[in-house]
Parts: sequence; C-alpha cells; structure tokens
Amino acid sequence: GAGVSQSPSNKVTEKGKDVELRCDPISGHTALYWYRQSLGQGLEFLIYFQGNSAPDKSGLPSDRFSAERTGGSVSTLTIQRTQQEDSAVYLCASSAGAVGQGAYEQYFGPGTRLTVT
Amino acid sequence: GESVGLHLPTLSVQEGDNSIINCAYSNSASDYFIWYKQESGKGPQFIIDIRSNMDKRQGQRVTVLLNKTVKHLSLQIAATQPGDSAVYFCAENAGGTSYGKLTFGQGTILTVHP
Repeated sequence: GAGVSQSPSNKVTEKGKDVELRCDPISGHTALYWYRQSLGQGLEFLIYFQGNSAPDKSGLPSDRFSAERTGGSVSTLTIQRTQQEDSAVYLCASSAGAVGQGAYEQYFGPGTRLTVT
Repeated sequence: GESVGLHLPTLSVQEGDNSIINCAYSNSASDYFIWYKQESGKGPQFIIDIRSNMDKRQGQRVTVLLNKTVKHLSLQIAATQPGDSAVYFCAENAGGTSYGKLTFGQGTILTVHP
C-alpha cells in the first residue's frame, strides 16, 4: 500500500496491561510521528523520529509511554500498565522529513482506537 | 503555554455556499501553518499549507489566509459540497530543531446540508 498503515485498528485491554501499537510509514519517509486524539479533541503530539537523530520525546505524557523505530521504518508505541485515561485514538504520521522537501506535509494513518477497561 | 485555537467549534452551511473556518495562534515564532480535514473514523488529511512569509495561498476550491499582525489563520472553501463535511484542524510549526513537530488546534466541525 502507498499510505501509512497502523495495527491493530482497535484494541481493548484491561487496566494494568501493556499494549503495543504498530505503525508502517510510507516507504522512503524519514520522519515519523505519533499523536494521541481523545474523543472530540485535537491531536496531541507524543513523539517524533527524524532519520537517525535522537527522537523528540517531549510529548510523551509519562514514563509508561515509549516508542521505537527500527531500521528507520516501522515504529512501535508501547504503553505500559495502561490506565483508563490512556483510552484514545493513537495516530501515526510520516513525512519526507527534509526541510524544503515536503517536510511538514504529514500523511496520517487511520489510527488505533485503544480502549482501557 | 502557547497554543493554536479555533474561534468556532461548529459551522453549518448549505451546499454551494462558501465556508470560512477560523483559527487563532499565539506563538509568534510559528513559521508554518497547515489545515487538515478529518472525516469520521479516518486520520487527518492534508488540505493546504502556508508559510509565514506569505499572506495568502490558493488550492483547488480552498484558500488559506494568514494575518500575522493579529495571529489569525482562516480556511475558505468555495462552493462547499456535502463531501466537505468533516472536522477541520489548523496546525502550526514553530520551526527550530523540531521543524516537523506540529501543534494542533481543537478543530471545527463543518456540516454541509444538501
């Protein structure tokens, strides 16, 4: 596929469990972003990967949240010991990355809807 | 902290009318602005962007206006169609080392009545 894909599309988990959310960016895109969107709200920035640089983790809400990007492509967002307030749609986006080359035009995946019961 | 916000949370228009969605921003260092459209159950879709050295940019049926003096951004949709019904978000980027990091506003729900 040509777009950003995310899996699973829906995830229901019990409070206290760990979850992993996956993002496959557009091939060749060097920048990858994770956002969180609560019901009826805007997007909240979580973390940003650009090439081989250290990720910008400034948006992660707590140390229960972490993300990895392996081989400059696929990324996994991990939430440990999930809480009910973690329930949201988690969106991944990718962009060409380099300034002047469409760096800002972020292409979003369909999101993973996480429900913590 | 500095943020991007919207004046109107909802907007209802008749098919064929023009729509204007507004956005205020407070970070004077922001140098890049984007409008996204989000349909129900989908991720946001890029519509149009504008850099701070411009005050107007046009796309297909859409125009973005930027007024840096009052820190105001608007999206104009011409001849609005039912397929335009969605939530519209403005987003800003403050540049610097995190040039890809966007701050999103809360969104405006646009409903187009046939």
